[in-house]
Amino acid sequence: GENVEQHPSTLSVQEGDSAVIKCTYSDSASNYFPWYKQELGKRPQLIIDIRSNVGEKKDQRIAVTLNKTAKHFSLHITETQPEDSAVYFCAATNTGNQFYFGTGTSLTVIP
Amino acid sequence: DAGITQSPRHKVTETGTPVTLRCHQTENHRYMYWYRQDPGHGLRLIHYSYGVKDTDKGEVSDGYSVSRSKTEDFLLTLESATSSQTSVYFCAIAGGFNNEQFFGPGTRLTVL
Repeated sequence: GENVEQHPSTLSVQEGDSAVIKCTYSDSASNYFPWYKQELGKRPQLIIDIRSNVGEKKDQRIAVTLNKTAKHFSLHITETQPEDSAVYFCAATNTGNQFYFGTGTSLTVIP
Repeated sequence: DAGITQSPRHKVTETGTPVTLRCHQTENHRYMYWYRQDPGHGLRLIHYSYGVKDTDKGEVSDGYSVSRSKTEDFLLTLESATSSQTSVYFCAIAGGFNNEQFFGPGTRLTVL
């Protein structure tokens, strides 16, 4: 099956700086890559996603890039704010049946 | 939030007792999932369903069973709860136009 690795496991940035979280996947058939944000005690929330026919997608301060050749994708958050502090999960799927998740990145934005 | 509810939201039980968690959706999505979340392990798939009475195992299915007799309901049963099954359990659904996956609010289960 698919194997998704996520780095780093923890990340601290100063408010206003950028944050980058990287994930790699093993199954070249994977074609959909969502990112989730989970605040303490809450459910994971879908924040952005990308499909394999697109190299980059942006939504205000967040963007995701995909490199199919290298089998990795990244989440970029610019102009970070304290409310961006949370755990972020990447995932990959090729059929939509099963989603394979990374182990999460705990992001802390220091005011 | 997508129309997903989970019940109960919190439960404390004793080792050896059976436990059933319920997931209910109002989105008429095809796929439903049960995950458990533990520190350091992220989200691990227990079982999933791709239609009424169609289910399959995930990576951590031992000790769990599921049933889906209606599109809107997906039940997770712990036949004989153990302390290692203390966890937060999330239900999720997928199957809209873009097949995006959305999560329920979670159930915190403690097995003493």
